[in-house]
Amino acid sequence: EVQLVESGGGLVQPGGSLRLSCAASGFPFSAYWMHWVRQVPGKELVWVSRINSDGTTTNYADSVKGRFTVSRDNAKNTLYLQMNSLTADDTAVYYCARGLWDYWGPGTLVTVSS
Amino acid sequence: DIQMTQSPSSLSASVGDTVTISCRASLGVGSDLGWFQQKPGKAPKRLIYAASIFQSGVPSRFTASGSGTEFTLTISSLQPEDFATYYCLQHNNYPYTFGQGTKLEIK
Repeated sequence: EVQLVESGGGLVQPGGSLRLSCAASGFPFSAYWMHWVRQVPGKELVWVSRINSDGTTTNYADSVKGRFTVSRDNAKNTLYLQMNSLTADDTAVYYCARGLWDYWGPGTLVTVSS
Repeated sequence: DIQMTQSPSSLSASVGDTVTISCRASLGVGSDLGWFQQKPGKAPKRLIYAASIFQSGVPSRFTASGSGTEFTLTISSLQPEDFATYYCLQHNNYPYTFGQGTKLEIK
């Protein structure tokens, strides 16, 4: 069974950093591109970042470019999102999703507040 | 950036009704479009990819069509479990962009 489980969310002060993880199981993780998508509760979905299967190519939304870094460890079947210089606008539920978005994790809430 | 505009933003319908949701792209995206259903407190669920190909297990009352800049999702004979928010997503050009969502509510 394909499973994606995010972790690492929580409360962080403005200007702080946080690293999210997405543990994958039930499929050949190293064969799939992966994405991060976020959603302010009650608002629309926003695509954040994508990484190719071997981690050599990444893409970002303009709103996070230069502050967020996506990476992966295929040996550990884990996707990461390093988030720096966080602001209140980054407060959201963060989801990881596989490939063409056929599987999603349940999400992890990031709250940026003093 | 490609803007994805969904209409309507909200829709009220009854069980058994047929509804259509539209998604318009500001630039052509070919068939690189997906449709997603999201229920409160849950992760989105993919319904459609490549504009018109169904995710396994999606009921046949869902149909989708379109290419380029105009796309539609039609739900026939609405069932109680269909009341949710629906999003389109283009993945033809970076940054990938979602529509603002269409909230389908029970009348």
